[in-house]
Amino acid sequence: GESVGLHLPTLSVQEGDNSIINCAYSNSASDYFIWYKQESGKGPQFIIDIRSNMDKRQGQRVTVLLNKTVKHLSLQIAATQPGDSAVYFCAETFYNQGGKLIFGQGTELSVKP
Amino acid sequence: DAGVTQSPTHLIKTRGQQVTLRCSPKSGHDTVSWYQQALGQGPQFIFQYYEEEERQRGNFPDRFSGHQFPNYSSELNVNALLLGDSALYLCASSLDLQETQYFGPGTRLLVL
Repeated sequence: GESVGLHLPTLSVQEGDNSIINCAYSNSASDYFIWYKQESGKGPQFIIDIRSNMDKRQGQRVTVLLNKTVKHLSLQIAATQPGDSAVYFCAETFYNQGGKLIFGQGTELSVKP
Repeated sequence: DAGVTQSPTHLIKTRGQQVTLRCSPKSGHDTVSWYQQALGQGPQFIFQYYEEEERQRGNFPDRFSGHQFPNYSSELNVNALLLGDSALYLCASSLDLQETQYFGPGTRLLVL
């Protein structure tokens, strides 16, 4: 039968281009944010995290930006590769939540070779 | 260094049955959290175990229960299965309650 689910926002980029994936988080008290990558049929894979006392954090080919004023998080992927094709989720938590992660809707990134 | 492992990978049950899913945390981790991920959605927090006790619980009915063993592994039990329980069940482990959570591959449960 036909599967039913939410239609994820999609982002289609050309191989080698830079990608920017955005996320609006819900709780102004959140103080820890994580980006996960989820490939089809697999569990979420940790990419990068950032705490609320930072505005920017860089990893290998990835950068996360945090704007607490407008409760916005972004993930920048440099020189996007076909292997980057996946669904990307942002997640938030705060100290009093004791580690409970609240996930955003997710964005599907498609990289054209 | 072994990552988070889950078993079984797939499971098919019928309505009203009971199911047990298992999780072994990443080496060195002592905290296990369980999430339910419906198709096309982000994971939803079910509960978290630390020091063999349930520390936090999400908005899930009592049909969902769990356990953590002295070796930090964990089980998720779901009783009286409903069609709506069909989902990918994810286990995540971390070193204590506040640190980064790393996910396993999940168990795909289909309720007919």
